[in-house]
Amino acid sequence: SQKIEQNSEALNIQEGKTATLTCNYTNYSPAYLQWYRQDPGRGPVFLLLIRENEKEKRKERLKVTFDTTLKQSLFHITASQPADSATYLCVRGDTGRRALTFGSGTRLQVQP
Amino acid sequence: GAVVSQHPSWVICKSGTSVKIECRSLDFQATTMFWYRQFPKQSLMLMATSNEGSKATYEQGVEKDKFLINHASLTLSTLTVTSAHPEDSSFYICSAPLTSGSGETQYFGPGTRLLVL
Repeated sequence: SQKIEQNSEALNIQEGKTATLTCNYTNYSPAYLQWYRQDPGRGPVFLLLIRENEKEKRKERLKVTFDTTLKQSLFHITASQPADSATYLCVRGDTGRRALTFGSGTRLQVQP
Repeated sequence: GAVVSQHPSWVICKSGTSVKIECRSLDFQATTMFWYRQFPKQSLMLMATSNEGSKATYEQGVEKDKFLINHASLTLSTLTVTSAHPEDSSFYICSAPLTSGSGETQYFGPGTRLLVL
């Protein structure tokens, strides 16, 4: 089965620094990877999608990379703010399967 | 952006009763919706795919007679937890896909927290 692995330990950083979250996948490359934000007691909110043939995608302070050699995606938040504190989910999407496979998420805490 | 709602947002029920959770796409139509379950500090686990006009597709290990799914219209799917037990207590989340120029994005509902006493 396809797995998505994220660091289960919380990431604590200072406001203004860049947060980098790691996502590793197993077996073959997904058609795309997505990153979602989830706040406690809420449903996930879509942030970014990166396809297998793309190396990098940016949106405002967010950047995501896709390395098929390392089987890894990195999610960066630059100039982090306390409001960025949340759990970030890495999700794989595969061709022919509309349902998504979720990682367990990494909790980010940005200290003021 | 697209909005998906869920109702109720939380529910407490006695063991043995049935609970119905609604998932609605408010500003777009969805022939397919997905139901997930999430336990504390764990990943979202797909339970089933809800298909408008046909039977739902259940993931391995999910009892279809216990978790009844009805996709009544292009904007509404319901999940009924029948004869609920304390181990069914969880956070239930639905999603609906929307296709745009950049591809297909899943929009999630806010979730329903179920507590079975």
